[in-house]
Amino acid sequence: EPEVTQTPSHQVTQMGQEVILRCVPISNHLYFYWYRQILGQKVEFLVSFYNNEISEKSEIFDDQFSVERPDGSNFTLKIRSTKLEDSAMYFCASRAGKYGYTFGSGTRLTVV
Amino acid sequence: ELKVEQNPLFLSMQEGKNYTIYCNYSTTSDRLYWYRQDPGKSLESLFVLLSNGAVKQEGRLMASLDTKARLSTLHITAAVHDLSATYFCAAFYNQGGKLIFGQGTELSVKP
Repeated sequence: EPEVTQTPSHQVTQMGQEVILRCVPISNHLYFYWYRQILGQKVEFLVSFYNNEISEKSEIFDDQFSVERPDGSNFTLKIRSTKLEDSAMYFCASRAGKYGYTFGSGTRLTVV
Repeated sequence: ELKVEQNPLFLSMQEGKNYTIYCNYSTTSDRLYWYRQDPGKSLESLFVLLSNGAVKQEGRLMASLDTKARLSTLHITAAVHDLSATYFCAAFYNQGGKLIFGQGTELSVKP
């Protein structure tokens, strides 16, 4: 079964550093998403991406965050200057159309 | 704005017992998802419910959807320890396609 692949699985970074989280969505999917889950809490929507542009972003997705689909296969989330409160599990997801919503295995980001 | 509420948030069960987790959502949604999450792991898709009256079963888990009441249930039959995990429901937000998650139900099945 096709998978959404995320790398790295775990990243530790110093506060103030930039991080890039990478995702390879399923190849024929058109809609791409990033979600965040702070430890012990619910999963929260960050941003959706369709047709090479952001279609919606949440209040969490401020100017420190950006997304890109640089080469037609990868989908990246960049955090420009990390804060302690950015520590969380970040999930990428993709979907083709009405059905199916596939999540990646997640990247655990730890900001120290 | 679509809101999703789950209850209970914590559930401690004995093996062999039955129980139901409830998921209410506040506005119209085309579909409802259930996920399982083990500690530190990703979201494992359990069910997607697409229409009113939909019922799906897999092993000891059965999910149903009542779109008129805006309610989905996840019923656990004869619980076993392996079912211990956190269960999330998520409603599909028709405008834009994001998922809105409930708070999760942490299930602990004890012998």
